[in-house]
Amino acid sequence: EDQVTQSPEALRLQEGESSSLNCSYTVSGLRGLFWYRQDPGKGPEFLFTLYSAGEEKEKERLKATLTKKESFLHITAPKPEDSATYLCAVAGTGGSYIPTFGRGTSLIVHP
Amino acid sequence: NAGVTQTPKFQVLKTGQSMTLQCAQDMNHNSMYWYRQDPGMGLRLIYYSASEGTTDKGEVPNGYNVSRLNKREFSLRLESAAPSQTSVYFCASSEARGDQPQHFGDGTRLSIL
Repeated sequence: EDQVTQSPEALRLQEGESSSLNCSYTVSGLRGLFWYRQDPGKGPEFLFTLYSAGEEKEKERLKATLTKKESFLHITAPKPEDSATYLCAVAGTGGSYIPTFGRGTSLIVHP
Repeated sequence: NAGVTQTPKFQVLKTGQSMTLQCAQDMNHNSMYWYRQDPGMGLRLIYYSASEGTTDKGEVPNGYNVSRLNKREFSLRLESAAPSQTSVYFCASSEARGDQPQHFGDGTRLSIL
């Protein structure tokens, strides 16, 4: 069974204070690891897909990295508009192709 | 593009009432999904449809039924609503390959009194 654990559950940063969110996972084989952003009252919005260890993807102030056991979402010099809940999901090669979601990290960036 | 559209956005029901949540996607995706999201529980899969004409149970299917009406539309029905079904319901779609991301609607907020 695929498992995903995200930490921390909540994170408060000052504007400009860089940090990282963690997604630890267990799968029999990785089809893909996905990062989403969810704003209050909205559905999750796709950010990145990572497929193999060592892969990195960037978008503005966000950078996602992947190892065989975990993924990090690095946030560089965050702004208040980066405040959201960030969700991680993994799809494994065993059984169903459907991704398993973590419970998310709630990020608040104070001006 | 509209992406994934869910209706209604909000609904209040009384215990025992029935209702259908509607979902439509315009991305020509094969797979569609229904999730519920509760505080502290994350997204939990209720039902999914890998392709038109097929449906399968997810993690929490009890109390729900689904219909894949055509490739675009996937509905979720509560036959006899219970307070435990108060939640935010999200519909999503994707290609049925596991290496492609899901695209989500903005949810239906359902309260059952």
